[in-house]
Amino acid sequence: EAGVAQSPRYKIIEKRQSVAFWCNPISGHATLYWYQQILGQGPKLLIQFQNNGVVDDSQLPKDRFSAERLKGVDSTLKIQPAKLEDSAVYLCASKTSGLTGELFFGEGSRLTVL
Amino acid sequence: AQTVTQSQPEMSVQEAETVTLSCTYDTSESDYYLFWYKQPPSRQMILVIRQEAYKQQNATENRFSVNFQKAAKSFSLKISDSQLGDAAMYFCAYRGPNTGNQFYFGTGTSLTVIP
Repeated sequence: EAGVAQSPRYKIIEKRQSVAFWCNPISGHATLYWYQQILGQGPKLLIQFQNNGVVDDSQLPKDRFSAERLKGVDSTLKIQPAKLEDSAVYLCASKTSGLTGELFFGEGSRLTVL
Repeated sequence: AQTVTQSQPEMSVQEAETVTLSCTYDTSESDYYLFWYKQPPSRQMILVIRQEAYKQQNATENRFSVNFQKAAKSFSLKISDSQLGDAAMYFCAYRGPNTGNQFYFGTGTSLTVIP
């Protein structure tokens, strides 16, 4: 079974530039999450999708971050304009529907903002 | 929101010895799930072990076991016969029935295994 795919693995940009991250979850997983993991900290939820609908985006800085999951499969997370404090690893995860079930993570996209 | 606390930022263990990582959580829910995830350096996070709160028996997975104390809201991970490959960040996570499938993570414990 293929895992959660993310790209790019690494990205370096200047502040005020834009960047986009892509995620392809495990086939059949209805729930998709984007987490931000700053060095030395635990993952912080940015946005959660159920199919193509947003379940929770309360911690997403909507003035600069956006995310979509148009067909209920792939998802894109965009940052525009980037700030220095956005330097982090952006993790995508997916799980099956229902109360049981674990998160399956991708390898993450490491962003460095200079 | 639920909070998950890992009070040990770093731990070390000698190869073949046993180590216990601590986790506490705060919740008013009675039925929930607890997880330990492992994140090796520059690699993806994977599930180590899972515990359902309604189960009194502590979960075990080979060399990994938990000590789940529901009343104390404590969920520690014991790694027996530690191996070099166990070196990683370990995150404790909580998910409740009323949190919309949202997972709450602790800040992690960095485990070093000494040969």
